[in-house]
Amino acid sequence: EAQVTQNPRYLITVTGKKLTVTCSQNMNHEYMSWYRQDPGLGLRQIYYSMNVEVTDKGDVPEGYKVSRKEKRNFPLILELPSPNQTSLYFCASSSKTTGVVFFGQGTRLTVV
Amino acid sequence: AQSVTQLGSHVSVSEGALVLLRCNYSSSVPPYLFWYVQYPNQGLQLLLKYTSAATLVKGINGFEAEFKKSETSFHLTKPSAHMSDAAEYFCAVYQSGGSYIPTFGRGTSLIVHP
Repeated sequence: EAQVTQNPRYLITVTGKKLTVTCSQNMNHEYMSWYRQDPGLGLRQIYYSMNVEVTDKGDVPEGYKVSRKEKRNFPLILELPSPNQTSLYFCASSSKTTGVVFFGQGTRLTVV
Repeated sequence: AQSVTQLGSHVSVSEGALVLLRCNYSSSVPPYLFWYVQYPNQGLQLLLKYTSAATLVKGINGFEAEFKKSETSFHLTKPSAHMSDAAEYFCAVYQSGGSYIPTFGRGTSLIVHP
């Protein structure tokens, strides 16, 4: 089954404690992205990657890091989480030929 | 450059009434347009897409959208709303030959009253 898998689904952490949200896709897609979703603000893109070892900033990259060492994986790293990063995060992948985006189930992060 | 505007952050309808969710786009080249739906506590999933084959596009669950180039619009409609249609709906534009990364609208929350 074609899917994007992100883990964990729920995470509560404390300010300043480094965390990683993993994302993996099994569709051999070239493009992968991270979004955060906040009430009233819709989906905002954090980072995206157009291929292995190629990443670029989205609309709200501050406080986040990503890496794309393998085509299937695109982890999101928060080295010093802060309460304003409390949000719902989605990983997504897409094919450059169709543009259709496949989303993970989301990770609800709370930073206290 | 490409962008999407969804008019109305919330739309409220009665069960059985017409659903109309508005989306306007801007794109420097003929766009690919999408509607995605997000049910509570789930990720987004594709509802339908326009890729220039036909201006009226039919999607899942009885939804359809019409591409109107003169109005730069891609509004989503459904003749009769069901309670199960209550969800967040996102319009997105993807510009072939561009960054290949779609741009999403802010979303419209559809509320269905019994």
